[in-house]
Amino acid sequence: GQQVMQIPQYQHVQEGEDFTTYCNSSTTLSNIQWYKQRPGGHPVFLIQLVKSGEVKKQKRLTFQFGEAKKNSSLHITATQTTDVGTYFCAGEGGSYIPTFGRGTSLIVHP
Amino acid sequence: DAGITQSPRHKVTETGTPVTLRCHQTENHRYMYWYRQDPGHGLRLIHYSYGVKDTDKGEVSDGYSVSRSKTEDFLLTLESATSSQTSVYFCAISRLKGAGGLSEQFFGPGTRLTVL
Repeated sequence: GQQVMQIPQYQHVQEGEDFTTYCNSSTTLSNIQWYKQRPGGHPVFLIQLVKSGEVKKQKRLTFQFGEAKKNSSLHITATQTTDVGTYFCAGEGGSYIPTFGRGTSLIVHP
Repeated sequence: DAGITQSPRHKVTETGTPVTLRCHQTENHRYMYWYRQDPGHGLRLIHYSYGVKDTDKGEVSDGYSVSRSKTEDFLLTLESATSSQTSVYFCAISRLKGAGGLSEQFFGPGTRLTVL
């Protein structure tokens, strides 16, 4: 079955430093989604990438979808304490059944 | 968030007892999902539904059953709870976008289940 690997599992940064999390799928994806979960909360949809090589930005967040549609990344520039949480990628093969990565927990030290 | 509610929000039960968790949505979405979340494992799909009475297994379906008799309700049942089923359970819906197979998931607030 489809597997989605996400690294790193944890990332500690000083406030103001950049942060990146990476996802790799064992199969070609139709799209990839990114979610953020604050401590004690539920996952919240951030964005969906569909096209090969696609890059999307949301303020300080930059999302990329690889040319082969098997990998993706989320980069946060100049982290803030409000960025704390776990970031999940979820890859779909076109069936409305996403496979989630295990998530990267971001810890921001003020 | 897409009008999704879960009940109960917290439950403590004993090994061997049956437990039913309820997910309710108000927007008539076709696809509904049950996930469990455990430290280090992310979100793992238990069962999903693609319509009334249409359900299928996810990657961790053993020990769980589901039912969907109405569009708005998706029930998850643990027939005989075990300590390994202690977890946080999230219900989700897919909001479909157009005809291109695109969707985004919206999650309920979660149910924290403890099996003693």
